[in-house]
Amino acid sequence: DQQVKQNSPSLSVQEGRISILNCDYTNSMFDYFLWYKKYPAEGPTFLISISSIKDKNEDGRFTVFLNKSAKHLSLHIVPSQPGDSAVYFCAATDQTGANNLFFGTGTRLTVIP
Amino acid sequence: ETGVTQTPRHLVMGMTNKKSLKCEQHLGHNAMYWYKQSAKKPLELMFVYNFKEQTENNSVPSRFSPECPNSSHLFLHLHTLQPEDSALYLCASSREGTANEKLFFGSGTQLSVL
Repeated sequence: DQQVKQNSPSLSVQEGRISILNCDYTNSMFDYFLWYKKYPAEGPTFLISISSIKDKNEDGRFTVFLNKSAKHLSLHIVPSQPGDSAVYFCAATDQTGANNLFFGTGTRLTVIP
Repeated sequence: ETGVTQTPRHLVMGMTNKKSLKCEQHLGHNAMYWYKQSAKKPLELMFVYNFKEQTENNSVPSRFSPECPNSSHLFLHLHTLQPEDSALYLCASSREGTANEKLFFGSGTQLSVL
């Protein structure tokens, strides 16, 4: 059973507008969350992360919000740019000592110029 | 050299073949990983090596055999695979292999088993 879910397989947004990508998780032991971005024919690259002791982390145009009670996190990209078009993966991990990331299935973002 | 390099990029093999996937990292990391991504499924951890020692085997069938001769190189030996093993195989590395580290991924090997 998937512990990390991204229920929207795709999202299209106009350039300059906000992109919001959502992620839900089921395991209450998860305490660290990451977003990865993947372009075609490339491996995923780290984008931004958040610890469970925070509810928001911001890095330039990218902000991740964490709602622990709802077991939900979201990635906001503003303003969206055509170069942001990629597949975005949400991932989560717990403090088991091993770096085992649990990934969602990804959301394909298309930013329309 | 880019951070994590995987070869080959594409591989087609029959069910009776034996082949190997290769991964090399140039980041000075001590942990390396194999992940599998099947169509419409999430990335799934297969194996973890810390300082050349296997620390995680995520119930992977024995037809997949990893090898880590040193901290920079990781192999995945394949034999008698099934068509359902067709997937994207991604190698990754991290500094120490401890929790909450960023993973650095290679571009993957797209494997098709006929």
